[in-house]
Amino acid sequence: QVQLQESGPGLVRPSQTLSLTCTVSGGSISSAYYWTWIRHLPGKGLEWMGYVFSSATTYYNPSLKSRLIISADTSKNQFSLKLSSVTAADTAVYYCARYYYDSSGVNWIDPWGQGTLVTVSS
Amino acid sequence: SSELTQDPAVSVALGQTVSVTCQGDGLRAFYASWYQRKPGQAPLLIIFGTNNRPSGIPDRFSGSTSGDTASLTISGAQAEDEADYYCQSRDITSAHLVFGGGTKLTVL
Repeated sequence: QVQLQESGPGLVRPSQTLSLTCTVSGGSISSAYYWTWIRHLPGKGLEWMGYVFSSATTYYNPSLKSRLIISADTSKNQFSLKLSSVTAADTAVYYCARYYYDSSGVNWIDPWGQGTLVTVSS
Repeated sequence: SSELTQDPAVSVALGQTVSVTCQGDGLRAFYASWYQRKPGQAPLLIIFGTNNRPSGIPDRFSGSTSGDTASLTISGAQAEDEADYYCQSRDITSAHLVFGGGTKLTVL
């Protein structure tokens, strides 16, 4: 059973870079899935941030693309997020998750990590 | 883009049936998946594909799609079903994922 766990600082200063790591257990990030970051903004809904697949190919939400880097480390079975120039608007619960998609149009996100709250504040 | 639109809030009497809808052009090409999110918990996949439930999801949850609208139906809503429900799919012109704005379900 695949499990994901986020780790990283819970507090980031404005204008700094938010860095999170997702450790995957019970499965390999080299498998045919898309390893994804999603956040839940306070009082708002879920926002897809981006994903990495085949260990190197990435896709990003256009609204975050200029500030976001997602990468994978197959040796550690981890993937990571770096979001630069953060502001209070980036305060959110950040989730890592596994995304599946096939040519029939079936696509789903499962499992999710438990989520980690990151607060941007001085 | 393929935005997904959900009603912000829906209510249902205990034991009754309720549907939550999700509308978007992208649903003509890609299936919607549905997630249940309770406070302090990670979202949980409850419906994917044509009408599939992951192991452990009660069969009172079902899904359907007609044209550009996907529906999540809860037949015999229970108190523990009170939660936020999100639909999710894929953009029709890119490889991006999209979420609906979420529907807050209240069980009366």
